[in-house]
Amino acid sequence: AQSVTQLGSHVSVSEGALVLLRCNYSSSVPPYLFWYVQYPNQGLQLLLKYTSAATLVKGINGFEAEFKKSETSFHLTKPSAHMSDAAEYFCAVSDSGGYQKVTFGTGTKLQVIP
Amino acid sequence: DTGVSQDPRHKITKRGQNVTFRCDPISEHNRLYWYRQTLGQGPEFLTYFQNEAQLEKSRLLSDRFSAERPKGSFSTLEIQRTEQGDSAMYLCASSLETGGYNQPQHFGDGTRLSIL
Repeated sequence: AQSVTQLGSHVSVSEGALVLLRCNYSSSVPPYLFWYVQYPNQGLQLLLKYTSAATLVKGINGFEAEFKKSETSFHLTKPSAHMSDAAEYFCAVSDSGGYQKVTFGTGTKLQVIP
Repeated sequence: DTGVSQDPRHKITKRGQNVTFRCDPISEHNRLYWYRQTLGQGPEFLTYFQNEAQLEKSRLLSDRFSAERPKGSFSTLEIQRTEQGDSAMYLCASSLETGGYNQPQHFGDGTRLSIL
């Protein structure tokens, strides 16, 4: 079974500060890993994905994540937080094959303080 | 690409009533997924379709739940005899599978179900 653990259900950063959202995964097979963002009363939007190519993945809105197999981590970062980044972020994992059933973490709410 | 569309956006109903939600995927997508999201949790997988075939159902999908995708395009999710615990956001997603490779899933904005 695959799973992801997101450390910290709430994270607060000042506008302009570094954003770091933590995610650790567990998978018995090579995983695909994703970060999604969800704004209130909306669905999930894909930020970025790791599919076994480059370990440093760049996504939309200035976010990036690094796959570290030795640490089973896939943390999300952004150098400088913007007010519009305030949202809930979900880390997710799926098989590298099959029908891509995605298992989500419990989410991290990011608050950006002006 | 008009995105994944879900209808209705909100549904309020009394306990014991039946409800049906609709999902229109991105037109060329052959895979369609249903998820349920409760407050403070990530989405949980319910079921998925490859074209019109329902290929897997989660144990979360009790006998009161049924999903269809009759022509391999839109899908419906019906909940019979609703219970308080069914209150949640129901999310639909679609993706394109080609030659064994799956593109990431695109999500709709969900249907929020509230049981009185």
